[in-house]
Amino acid sequence: GAGVSQSPRYKVAKRGQDVALRCDPISGHVSLFWYQQALGQGPEFLTYFQNEAQLDKSGLPSDRFFAERPEGSVSTLKIQRTQQEDSAVYLCASSLDHNTEAFFGQGTRLTVV
Amino acid sequence: AQSVTQLDSQVPVFEEAPVELRCNYSSSVSVYLFWYVQYPNQGLQLLLKYLSGSTLVKGINGFEAEFNKSQTSFHLRKPSVHISDTAEYFCAVSLGGSQGNLIFGKGTKLSVKP
Repeated sequence: GAGVSQSPRYKVAKRGQDVALRCDPISGHVSLFWYQQALGQGPEFLTYFQNEAQLDKSGLPSDRFFAERPEGSVSTLKIQRTQQEDSAVYLCASSLDHNTEAFFGQGTRLTVV
Repeated sequence: AQSVTQLDSQVPVFEEAPVELRCNYSSSVSVYLFWYVQYPNQGLQLLLKYLSGSTLVKGINGFEAEFNKSQTSFHLRKPSVHISDTAEYFCAVSLGGSQGNLIFGKGTKLSVKP
């Protein structure tokens, strides 16, 4: 596809369950970003990849959150032992490089019950 | 530390009226500034951005914004809104010159009424 694709679009998880959220960036885009958007809030930066290297993970809220991009294209955000406060929309964005426009996917809405 | 303040959480306006959505930022260094729009259940779409040069920036859908360094503001304006402009609008500032590593404001919901 032409844009950033995220799957699943919606995920309901029971508290304590592990989840994995997928992001397919635009082909050829080197930089990839993950954001968390809580209800009624703006997106908050989680982590950033340049190719397969995770250059910044300062926004990950706890060690239950883990992101990877092993081949420099698709990325997965994993949340272990989900808690209710993890309920949010998780947005992925990609850009040609660090200093060009970032394009956002539609997001994955995670609801922890 | 950098931060973004959007002064209005909701802005109701009638169709064809002008609108201004306010954004102030704090930063000790030069910044890049952005406005994004988010329609329900959609991702973010870039409306416009200020990187350098002219302080008046024109974007898509008839929107424009003016960078005011002395007032640390980047207000978004449109002279005549349409029903289809109903959405949430986010102001953002960059970190370290990256156009993808951004700090966002809390958003302003624009409701255009017929």
